[in-house]
Amino acid sequence: DAGITQSPRHKVTETGTPVTLRCHQTENHRYMYWYRQDPGHGLRLIHYSYGVKDTDKGEVSDGYSVSRSKTEDFLLTLESATSSQTSVYFCAIREDRGPVTDTQYFGPGTRLTVL
Amino acid sequence: SQKIEQNSEALNIQEGKTATLTCNYTNYSPAYLQWYRQDPGRGPVFLLLIRENEKEKRKERLKVTFDTTLKQSLFHITASQPADSATYLCASRASSASKIIFGSGTRLSIRP
Repeated sequence: DAGITQSPRHKVTETGTPVTLRCHQTENHRYMYWYRQDPGHGLRLIHYSYGVKDTDKGEVSDGYSVSRSKTEDFLLTLESATSSQTSVYFCAIREDRGPVTDTQYFGPGTRLTVL
Repeated sequence: SQKIEQNSEALNIQEGKTATLTCNYTNYSPAYLQWYRQDPGRGPVFLLLIRENEKEKRKERLKVTFDTTLKQSLFHITASQPADSATYLCASRASSASKIIFGSGTRLSIRP
C-alpha cells in the first residue's frame, strides 16, 4: 500500500462548514495527488503537489484548496462544504524512481457526505 | 482536450472465458498506458503498464496490448474467475508530465 493513510475515513458534515482531509505517506515521494471519485465520472484530479509548498490545480479544483508544508503530509481543504462535494476522496502518490516510474499508489479513501 | 475513454461501463461474462476490456485515447499520444483494478470501497491498485513501443505485455493471466494506430489498449483476463470481478481503470500521463488521467472504468462481473 506504499505507506499511504488518509484521515478521517468517513465524515458527515453540514453545508457551509470547513472540512480538512489529511493524506500521510511514509516513503518520501515527491508527487502527491488528490482525486474525487463519483459514479459515472471516474477519478477526477482536484489538486496535486510536486514538492513541499509546490502545488497546482487539477480539472475540478473549484471550492478546494491544498497545502503541503512537509513532504509526508498533503492536506485538502473544503473552505465551505457544499452538497456537490459529497464524494469519495482518494489520495495518491506517484512512484518517481525505479522501473515502475509513474505508477500511482492510492490511499484507502475518505467518504465525505455533506448534508 | 486529452481524454481516455473506456466504452463499456459494465461487462458480464461466464467463468472460464476471456474478458476483454477496451481503452481509447484521444487528442494526444501517451508514452504509456496503465491498468488498475479497483474493488468496492478501496483505492485502485496498479496491475500493468505498457509503453508505446511495446505491442503486448503479459502478467500471469493478464495481457495488455497497445495499438498506436487505433489509439487503443486492450486488457485481457484469460480463464476468468469470479475473484476477477472488479472495476478496471485505464490511465495515462497527460502531456503535462505531472498529471495522470484516468478513464471512468469498466465494471467486470464474472458469473460462476
